[in-house]
Formats: sequence, structure tokens, C-alpha cells
Amino acid sequence: KQEVTQIPAALSVPEGENLVLNCSFTDSAIYNLQWFRQDPGKGLTSLLLIQSSQREQTSGRLNASLDKSSGRSTLYIAASQPGDSATYLCAVLRSNDYKLSFGAGTTVTVRA
Amino acid sequence: SAVISQKPSRDICQRGTSLTIQCQVDSQVTMMFWYRQQPGQSLTLIATANQGSEATYESGFVIDKFPISRPNLTFSTLTVSNMSPEDSSIYLCSVGLAGGPSEQFFGPGTRLTVL
Repeated sequence: KQEVTQIPAALSVPEGENLVLNCSFTDSAIYNLQWFRQDPGKGLTSLLLIQSSQREQTSGRLNASLDKSSGRSTLYIAASQPGDSATYLCAVLRSNDYKLSFGAGTTVTVRA
Repeated sequence: SAVISQKPSRDICQRGTSLTIQCQVDSQVTMMFWYRQQPGQSLTLIATANQGSEATYESGFVIDKFPISRPNLTFSTLTVSNMSPEDSSIYLCSVGLAGGPSEQFFGPGTRLTVL
């Protein structure tokens, strides 16, 4: 069974600081990994998708890396802003059934 | 990408009643999924909604409690039946644009409170 763990569970930083969010998964048989953002009481917004053959993806201030063999991904957010405050979820797409397994999320607060 | 809408966005229901949640996509998609997010928890897959066939349910979820319809490639409904306070959650639908593994996109969710 695929287990996805996100560390830390919560993070509070001053504006301008870089954010580092970690995700680990137990089964390396994945097709891809997605990072999502969720605002309180809302749905999920897809931030980045990394295919299993890729090492990283970048979009603006966001960069995500993937080390499939060791079962780890890291999301970097550069020069954080108060608008980055949200919960960030990592999810892996399982190879055997095309279903997503989610981590519990990291709740980020960026202080102005 | 895909634009996904859900109705209702939120509802407060009485114990023992049922609620049907609608999910509409702006393009034809092969795979649609329904998730539940209980308060303070991450997402749990309820079922995969297949067009033209029965939905496939995950362990711990049954059709009598969560009947699903998928009448065409752009629409699906999830019914939460005989509700109890434990059903209070956010319910989300998602879609995969390709027939196989692909990026998934999520709707805005339906926030359900059962009294």
C-alpha cells in the first residue's frame, strides 16, 4: 500500500523567506507526482506535475524535485509572500491503478 | 487543463436525509473521481466514476451509501445517503484528461455539514 508523508505538518515564516516542503512515499512504482495548493474550505489547485522520468519542474517561484528511487519530492517556494499562505498537498499517481495517494499536507503561514 | 464546477458549493442537512452533489466539466473526460476530505484530514478516494458502467468503489465505501451516476463524459453525480454527522466533509470531484495516467484537476468542492 502506498503511504505518503509530508513534513513538516505546519510551517510559519516571515515574508521573503524561501519555503522548503518535503514529501516522501513508500512505493516507487508511480507514474507521476503532483503538488497541489488548497485554501481553507476550498478545492485543490494543481501547482506542478512531475512525470516519473523527470527530476524537476519549475513554474515561476515554484520548483519541485523528484527522486523516485528514494521516494522523495521537495517543493521549493522562493521569496514567499502572504498570499502563499495555504495548505500544500503532495500526491502520487500509482502505477498499478492510476489512482492518487495523498499526503496529509503542510500548512504554510507567511507573516507580513 | 479542465474547468470543473460543483453544485451545491455548501449545504447543511439533517440527519437521515440524502444530498446529491453534481460535477460538471467543460470538456469530455474519460476518468472522473470522487473524494472525501473530513475535517482536518487529507483526501480519501471514494470511487471512480466510469461512463457507461458501474462506479468502482474503494475499500470502506459502498454503493448503497454513495450511489454515483455518470450519464455522459462531462457530468457525474454523487449522492450521500442516510446522512449522519460523520458524513460532514468536503466532497470533491476530479478528472483525468487522458484515458490513462495523467494530471488530475479538481473541482471547488462541496462543503457538507450534517446536523
